[in-house]
Amino acid sequence: GAGVSQTPSNKVTEKGKYVELRCDPISGHTALYWYRQSLGQGPEFLIYFQGTGAADDSGLPNDRFFAVRPEGSVSTLKIQRTERGDSAVYLCASSFRKGSTDTQYFGPGTRLTVL
Amino acid sequence: DQQVKQNSPSLSVQEGRISILNCDYTNSMFDYFLWYKKYPAEGPTFLISISSIKDKNEDGRFTVFLNKSAKHLSLHIVPSQPGDSAVYFCAASSTGNQFYFGTGTSLTVIP
Repeated sequence: GAGVSQTPSNKVTEKGKYVELRCDPISGHTALYWYRQSLGQGPEFLIYFQGTGAADDSGLPNDRFFAVRPEGSVSTLKIQRTERGDSAVYLCASSFRKGSTDTQYFGPGTRLTVL
Repeated sequence: DQQVKQNSPSLSVQEGRISILNCDYTNSMFDYFLWYKKYPAEGPTFLISISSIKDKNEDGRFTVFLNKSAKHLSLHIVPSQPGDSAVYFCAASSTGNQFYFGTGTSLTVIP
């Protein structure tokens, strides 16, 4: 079956602009995670959804970042007033249900470049 | 504050030999540990996991060892194959909570 997909694969924007990054999880997976990976670093947790609700958004760096999952499937990560420091690969992962023993399946990521 | 550390950014091993990748953590509440493998332009792929109630888990050529007293885990790959060349991330969590990832070790297996 299809894995986690993310669009776009690459996004170049100018400082101060608004961007949306999309994640399509594996069908039937109720848990969805967003991570950010900066150059030379491991994935850094941003937010986790169980169903439609954001169960843990403690990793969002500031209020410019927001994510939604209105129907419990596709999720959109939204970044307002982008800054050069937001440049990174944004990874989405899904798992069947929440729980540390459930394997997270990652998408290929969206590479965001803020000029 | 990095709670999961991989102190070797890179490792080169001859094909057929053993690869040993190391990972240290600081949070004693972590009770579940995973290794992910990542190829360029792809997302990380789950490789193997271990719960804190065990000290070893084996899956084919891959074995993960956990030393709770030292807060250390390692991934052994034997025999190493050229297709194993990738970046390996270890990750840890306390049950039901977010995962913390290390910075990765780039493994090159030389044919």
